[in-house]
Amino acid sequence: GENVEQHPSTLSVQEGDSAVIKCTYSDSASNYFPWYKQELGKGPQLIIDIRSNVGEKKDQRIAVTLNKTAKHFSLHITETQPEDSAVCFCAAPLGGGADGLTFGKGTHLIIQP
Amino acid sequence: GAGVSQSPRYKVAKRGQDVALRCDPISGHVSLFWYQQALGQGPEFLTYFQNEAQLDKSGLPSDRFFAERPEGSVSTLKIQRTQQEDSAVYLCASSLGQPAGGPREQYFGPGTRLTVT
Repeated sequence: GENVEQHPSTLSVQEGDSAVIKCTYSDSASNYFPWYKQELGKGPQLIIDIRSNVGEKKDQRIAVTLNKTAKHFSLHITETQPEDSAVCFCAAPLGGGADGLTFGKGTHLIIQP
Repeated sequence: GAGVSQSPRYKVAKRGQDVALRCDPISGHVSLFWYQQALGQGPEFLTYFQNEAQLDKSGLPSDRFFAERPEGSVSTLKIQRTQQEDSAVYLCASSLGQPAGGPREQYFGPGTRLTVT
C-alpha cells in the first residue's frame, strides 16, 4: 500500500512570508493528492488538491506542485497570515484498489504576527 | 448547507465498556469513511462504505471494532470491550463517490474524542 512522508513537522514563518511543506509518496500509481488543514477540536478541511494529470494547481495564495518522477508533492502558501496557522496534512490514496486515504504525520504551521 | 455531523463529540468509557459512535454524512453522499486519529498523528483509515455496502474494512484494528450503515445514510462505529489503546479521535468523512476520473474530496466531521479510563 501507499506510504506518505511529510516534512517538516513544525514550520514557523513570519507573517507575510511564504511557507512550503513537502510530502513524498511510494506508489507510482497514486493519482490524487489532497492537502488538508486541521484546527484544534475540528475535523480536517480540504485546502487544495491535485490530480496526477497536472503538475501544478493554484488557488489565490495557495498552490500545490506535483513531481511524479520524484514522487513528491508540495504545498506553497504565499503572503501568510496568522489565520493560516493550523496543522496541515498531505494525503494520497491507500492504493491497491482501496478508496480511503493515507495521511502524512502533519506539519504544525505557525505564522508569527 | 449542513456538513458531516458526529455524536457524541466526547465520550469517556471505562475499560471493558462498549461504545457506539454515530456519523451523519452530507445528504446524497454515497461514500462514507471512518478514520482513527491518535494524538499528534494524521488520521488512519478504518473502513469504507459505498451506500450500505461495507467495501473495505481492512483498517479495523481488531474484531472488537464493527461498523454499519444499514440504510446507506447514517453510520455507526461500535467498539466492544474498549481498551486504553482505543483512546483517540474517531473521524467520519463522506464524499459523492469515486467517478471514473478518480477520488473526490472527502468532507470530514468534527470527530468524536474517545477516552478510555
